[in-house]
Formats: sequence, C-alpha cells, structure tokens
Amino acid sequence: AQRVTQPEKLLSVFKGAPVELKCNYSYSGSPELFWYVQYSRQRLQLLLRHISRESIKGFTADLNKGETSFHLKKPFAQEEDSAMYYCALRGGTSYGKLTFGQGTILTVHP
Amino acid sequence: SAVISQKPSRDICQRGTSLTIQCQVDSQVTMMFWYRQQPGQSLTLIATANQGSEATYESGFVIDKFPISRPNLTFSTLTVSNMSPEDSSIYLCSVSMNTEAFFGQGTRLTVV
Repeated sequence: AQRVTQPEKLLSVFKGAPVELKCNYSYSGSPELFWYVQYSRQRLQLLLRHISRESIKGFTADLNKGETSFHLKKPFAQEEDSAMYYCALRGGTSYGKLTFGQGTILTVHP
Repeated sequence: SAVISQKPSRDICQRGTSLTIQCQVDSQVTMMFWYRQQPGQSLTLIATANQGSEATYESGFVIDKFPISRPNLTFSTLTVSNMSPEDSSIYLCSVSMNTEAFFGQGTRLTVV
C-alpha cells in the first residue's frame, strides 16, 4: 500500500522567513514524488516533481529515500506563496493515479 | 499540457437524487481519473476511466453509487447516485500527460 503523510495541516510564517512543508511517504518500490499547489480560486497545479530536480518559484524538494521524505523548502517566503500544498506519490504500476497527502495550508504574513 | 473543463462548477441537490458531472479534455488521453475531496480532507481517487472498457474503482467506491461513462478519448462523466449529505464534496476530474497530472476546476456538490 502507498501512503503520503503531511503532518502539518496549517503552517504560518512571516514574509522573508524560511519555510519547510513536511512530507513523508510509505511505498515499497521506487516512487515518483510531486508537490501540487492550489492558490485561492485556482485549480490544483503541479509545483515540482522529484525527478526534475528543479527549483520552481524558489521552492525545492529533495527526495530522501532513507527517511522516506520529500519536504518542500523555500529560503525566503513571499505573501504570494500562501496556498494549499499537497504532496503526492505515484507508484511504479499506478498508471498515472496519484496518492495525496492531507495537504498543508501555508499562510505567509506580511 | 491539457486543459480540462468540468461542469457544473457547483450544485446544490436534494438527497436521494443523482447528479452527473461532465469532464471535457482538450486532447485525447487514455485514462481519466475522478477524485473526491471531502471537506477538510485530502483528495481520494474514486476510479480510473479508460475509453472502451469499464472503469476501475478504488476500495470503498462502487459502480452503483458512482457510475462512470467514457464514450471517447476526450470526455467522461461521473454520476453521484442516490445522494446523501455525506456525498457533499468537491469532485475533480484529472488526466495525466508526461507524468504530470492536470485537474479540472472541480465540482462543488452540496447535498441537502
């Protein structure tokens, strides 16, 4: 079975502060990990994926297989980062379907 | 990329009735996915809809309650049957292209 856990339902930081959204997963094989974001009144969209190893909007996430984690980080949060963030996993034979974490609402205060 | 249109965007329905949600994609895709997002909860996959075959349902979801149609490679419908207040949720259509998932804007259903 595959499972994704985001331990923080709510996370508040001030503008300019570092932010880390935690994600842990459970999967027996080699998963694909993603972060999806939903801004207010917008649809869910991909933020980044672990295979790309890229930085999007200043966010990065490193897959740590030893700790089975895929935490999302940004060194200096901006107010426009306020959104709902979902960590998601796709197993090797899932044919495209995703397992989502519970989501973390990030609020960046001015 | 893919652009997905879902309708209706929201509806308020009486218990015991059924609602059909439509999902239109601007390109041909093999699989379409239907998710449910209950209030305060995460997204949960209901079923995977393949063109030309019956949908594959996840544990806890059955065809009688959530019948799905997939008449062609760009369109699918999800019906929520015999609704109860517990069915009040956001229902999302999704497709996967090049390992990226794209989502519709969702259908916010309230059952009274």
